[in-house]
Amino acid sequence: DTGVSQDPRHKITKRGQNVTFRCDPISEHNRLYWYRQTLGQGPEFLTYFQNEAQLEKSRLLSDRFSAERPKGSFSTLEIQRTEQGDSAMYLCASSPAAGGGTEAFFGQGTRLTVV
Amino acid sequence: AQTVTQSQPEMSVQEAETVTLSCTYDTSESNYYLFWYKQPPSRQMILVIRQEAYKQQNATENRFSVNFQKAAKSFSLKISDSQLGDTAMYFCAFMSYSGNTGKLIFGQGTTLQVKP
Repeated sequence: DTGVSQDPRHKITKRGQNVTFRCDPISEHNRLYWYRQTLGQGPEFLTYFQNEAQLEKSRLLSDRFSAERPKGSFSTLEIQRTEQGDSAMYLCASSPAAGGGTEAFFGQGTRLTVV
Repeated sequence: AQTVTQSQPEMSVQEAETVTLSCTYDTSESNYYLFWYKQPPSRQMILVIRQEAYKQQNATENRFSVNFQKAAKSFSLKISDSQLGDTAMYFCAFMSYSGNTGKLIFGQGTTLQVKP
């Protein structure tokens, strides 16, 4: 296991279409996080899972966004009816719960462009 | 709510010299973690250094060290002997102890260019 993997790396979609991103965390990590990063800004927290349970969602996560982690392994983030404002880099991170999860390992991100 | 502010959008430094990146934060909590993350162009974010608020001693990792001033809510990163590979965007981040969520709150970032 070489790290957190995200797929696809890039996605261009037309406004109004649905998109789904996948994140494969480091295998022994039971915490998984999604962040959104717009150009020139720091990442903003979206949601996190401990195992399969989604424990916190940001107010940034509108009802068009849904995230799942069905078996406590990989996670998906779906955006329905995409808008141009959804264009951003979507980052996934994982960490072990032990030690308070203080070391998060990030994937390379999925860059979404909505045209 | 906690906030993290990085007031230097861009900085540059000559190779082999020292540079300091600034970060201030706001919180009412007494126990928390602070981090510096590095995001090289088109590559994933990696942890540079971590500081626990209850520790008075400043963290160091090889060429990277921090100046943690808890009362002033300041957390600067010093990079010594700068190398071309240090060129990246650097983010200061805050993590609360409370709730044990591991959620990070990031600053806006500082783009560092190391010049040969």
